Amino acid sequence: AQTVTQSQPEMSVQEAETVTLSCTYDTSESDYYLFWYKQPPSRQMILVIRQEAYKQQNATENRFSVNFQKAAKSFSLKISDSQLGDAAMYFCATPGGSNYKLTFGKGTLLTVNP
Amino acid sequence: SAVISQKPSRDICQRGTSLTIQCQVDSQVTMMFWYRQQPGQSLTLIATANQGSEATYESGFVIDKFPISRPNLTFSTLTVSNMSPEDSSIYLCSVDVVSSSYNEQFFGPGTRLTVL
Repeated sequence: AQTVTQSQPEMSVQEAETVTLSCTYDTSESDYYLFWYKQPPSRQMILVIRQEAYKQQNATENRFSVNFQKAAKSFSLKISDSQLGDAAMYFCATPGGSNYKLTFGKGTLLTVNP
Repeated sequence: SAVISQKPSRDICQRGTSLTIQCQVDSQVTMMFWYRQQPGQSLTLIATANQGSEATYESGFVIDKFPISRPNLTFSTLTVSNMSPEDSSIYLCSVDVVSSSYNEQFFGPGTRLTVL
């Protein structure tokens, strides 16, 4: 079974600054993926970034990057040069099982202050 | 990628009634998922719906309360039966798309249900 823990219910950042959202997980899978999803107030879930567990290199997508520590089962999201549009709920998730169902963390609500 | 639409986008229903939520995908997909997101909470998987077979329900969810149809590879419905105020949530469908090297889930915009 998979578990995902996000220990920061809320975070805030000043516009143009950098913020890091934390996530730890546990999984019985030997080969797995990790995801960060963004859910703005409009509630459409959008994939921000993915990380393959077998890759040592941390994933990067423009201003978004991850710090993946496999041994520690840690998967944090770093947002650089934060923008007002980054304000949203962020969910960490990992799939598991034969049907790839996602297990989500409880989410971190990010506020970006102008 | 996949583009997903849901109907209705929101509804207000009376206690004891039922509501059917539709999920339409712009491409054929094998697996579709239905999630519930209670106010201010994370997503909880209700069931996995594969075409041509019975839906697989997660612990705490039963077919009598949440019957699901999956008549083809682009469409699914979720019915919330005999509703109570505790069923007030956002219901989201998602699909699993397999690329050459990984699976990715895409989500619909959700249906916001309020039960009075």
